[in-house]
Amino acid sequence: TQLLEQSPQFLSIQEGENLTVYCNSSSVFSSLQWYRQEPGEGPVLLVTVVTGGEVKKLKRLTFQFGDARKDSSLHITAAQPGDTGLYLCAGVLRNAGNMLTFGGGTRLMVKP
Amino acid sequence: NAGVTQTPKFQVLKTGQSMTLQCAQDMNHNSMYWYRQDPGMGLRLIYYSASEGTTDKGEVPNGYNVSRLNKREFSLRLESAAPSQTSVYFCASRDGEAFFGQGTRLTVV
Repeated sequence: TQLLEQSPQFLSIQEGENLTVYCNSSSVFSSLQWYRQEPGEGPVLLVTVVTGGEVKKLKRLTFQFGDARKDSSLHITAAQPGDTGLYLCAGVLRNAGNMLTFGGGTRLMVKP
Repeated sequence: NAGVTQTPKFQVLKTGQSMTLQCAQDMNHNSMYWYRQDPGMGLRLIYYSASEGTTDKGEVPNGYNVSRLNKREFSLRLESAAPSQTSVYFCASRDGEAFFGQGTRLTVV
């Protein structure tokens, strides 16, 4: 059982649609990050959220950290084919120092 | 700037063989990590090192050993490879943001 559960695992949508990806846990995290991974590459950081209730925007992407710091969401507005990829949430547990653990990932495909 | 460098990029092993995956970072980060990623899946933490001289088990440490040789280098060793260890292995270093190497694609036959 993974500490961070992501849903959905797979998402296939048409260009222009909106979508939300969820990252949930029963544990409290001191910080939570979202990464995006392209085939054959390592993940690349999109955002870090630290404060409960925090909302960050990155162009058409909106990230939210839950008030209790146990969950997070990624919302994409008007998805484009260039958004296709594997989205991963990752967190550092509040009392686990430097242990960075990842969720199972959401594979997004945006069709033109 | 090289960032995180992993070697080798590809490796095929026979069951029972041993090998060491090398990782080096040039960003002066204290924390380094080894993950494995199976097809279509997220990353599972094998071992990590919060600082030079310390190592800790992650989520899936069985069958692996690590060495934090110095601040720059963190190696992962498979003593007796098994087909279940076929995977893509990523090394990362972190100071806030995690930076990843290009990965090592390992096949155990």
